[in-house]
Amino acid sequence: EVQLVQSGAEVKKPGESLMISCQGSGYSFSTSWIGWVRQMPGKGLEWMGIIFPGDSDTIYSPSFQGQVTFSVDKYINTAYLQWSSLKASDTAVYFCARSPYRGAFAASCTFDTWGQGTLVAVSS
Amino acid sequence: QSALAQPPSASGSLGQSVTISCTGSSRDIGGYNYVSWYQQHPGKAPRLMIYEVTKRPSGVPDRFSGSKSGSTASLTVSGLQAEDEADYYCASYAGGHMGVFGTGTKVTVL
Repeated sequence: EVQLVQSGAEVKKPGESLMISCQGSGYSFSTSWIGWVRQMPGKGLEWMGIIFPGDSDTIYSPSFQGQVTFSVDKYINTAYLQWSSLKASDTAVYFCARSPYRGAFAASCTFDTWGQGTLVAVSS
Repeated sequence: QSALAQPPSASGSLGQSVTISCTGSSRDIGGYNYVSWYQQHPGKAPRLMIYEVTKRPSGVPDRFSGSKSGSTASLTVSGLQAEDEADYYCASYAGGHMGVFGTGTKVTVL
């Protein structure tokens, strides 16, 4: 079974750093792009960008460029989403998801498998 | 890249049909056949229901169908069932290695 399992909920203070994880199983992790999607409380889905585990090639949405960092450890089938200095406005559920495409259309927002989501709450 | 426009809400009676629209531009929906649709129940992860405008992943009932005309895509749910009550999001490739989601539609089954 193809599966993505994300790390648990986090409660942090503004200015703190954070890394959340997404571990894949049941497929060749290195050969499928992984995307990150934000959902702020009571709001819709936002495409943050994608990373290719095979070579760490990364594409960020302009809205998130410079605000977060994607990384991956292909040897343990795990992708990461990282913040160096959290803000209250980062409070949201973050989903990782797998794209079934290679090439340009990996950025098409088509994701066939999703993690369960990680709630990040930032408050002083 | 602005979010694709969807109506905030839609409704239909049990057994009837509901159609949700998703309006973009020639830079996204109108330019590519990479439109997908997701269903999301409260507190759950989204589920892929339609991809490449009209295709259904394995396990998705054939009550769900997708279409596109120009820069507007549509999702139709026929034979509405209680479990179809959820939020629905469209999404599209937007060129330049970018993707974009719709604003979301809450479907109520009457």
